Amino acid sequence: AQSVAQPEDQVNVAEGNPLTVKCTYSVSGNPYLFWYVQYPNRGLQFLLKYITGDNLVKGSYGFEAEFNKSQTSFHLKKPSALVSDSALYFCAVRLRQTGANNLFFGTGTRLTVIP
Amino acid sequence: DAGVTQSPTHLIKTRGQQVTLRCSPKSGHDTVSWYQQALGQGPQFIFQYYEEEERQRGNFPDRFSGHQFPNYSSELNVNALLLGDSALYLCASSLSGRYNSPLHFGNGTRLTVT
Repeated sequence: AQSVAQPEDQVNVAEGNPLTVKCTYSVSGNPYLFWYVQYPNRGLQFLLKYITGDNLVKGSYGFEAEFNKSQTSFHLKKPSALVSDSALYFCAVRLRQTGANNLFFGTGTRLTVIP
Repeated sequence: DAGVTQSPTHLIKTRGQQVTLRCSPKSGHDTVSWYQQALGQGPQFIFQYYEEEERQRGNFPDRFSGHQFPNYSSELNVNALLLGDSALYLCASSLSGRYNSPLHFGNGTRLTVT
């Protein structure tokens, strides 16, 4: 069975400090990996994805994520947090086999950036 | 270029009633997926429609059904509503065969069952 774990329900960080939001996964094979952000009363917005290649991927709004195959992790990072980064962040995986187009999501991590 | 649009934005229903939610995909997309996001949880996959047929289904009962129209828009129907069906329902669109491309989500329909 596929699963995605976001071990921290809440992450607080001071503005200007680096931030990390953790994600680990358990799926068969090598999945595609995604990060999405959700603002209040809104849908999910795509941030970045890992498909193949370089383990460090860069995405929107200065976010990046590091893929670690041995640890089956895909942690979201940003060198300098902004107050506007405060939101709910979801890690998601999609299986690579044809036809399996659905995403499995983690339970989300609420990021609060303190001014 | 319009993104994914969903209607209505909010809905209040009584237990036992039926509800229909609507979704128009992003321009150029032909596949629509529906997700349920309960309060404090991540989205859970309900089903996916492509070429007007249900192609994949998550672990949801038959009370949840859908439809896709020739213009690629979609409806989600829920019969015999339960209190536990209260959630944010998200529609996502994509282009068939592009499995490494992200899904594009609408802003959702907030369903409250009383």
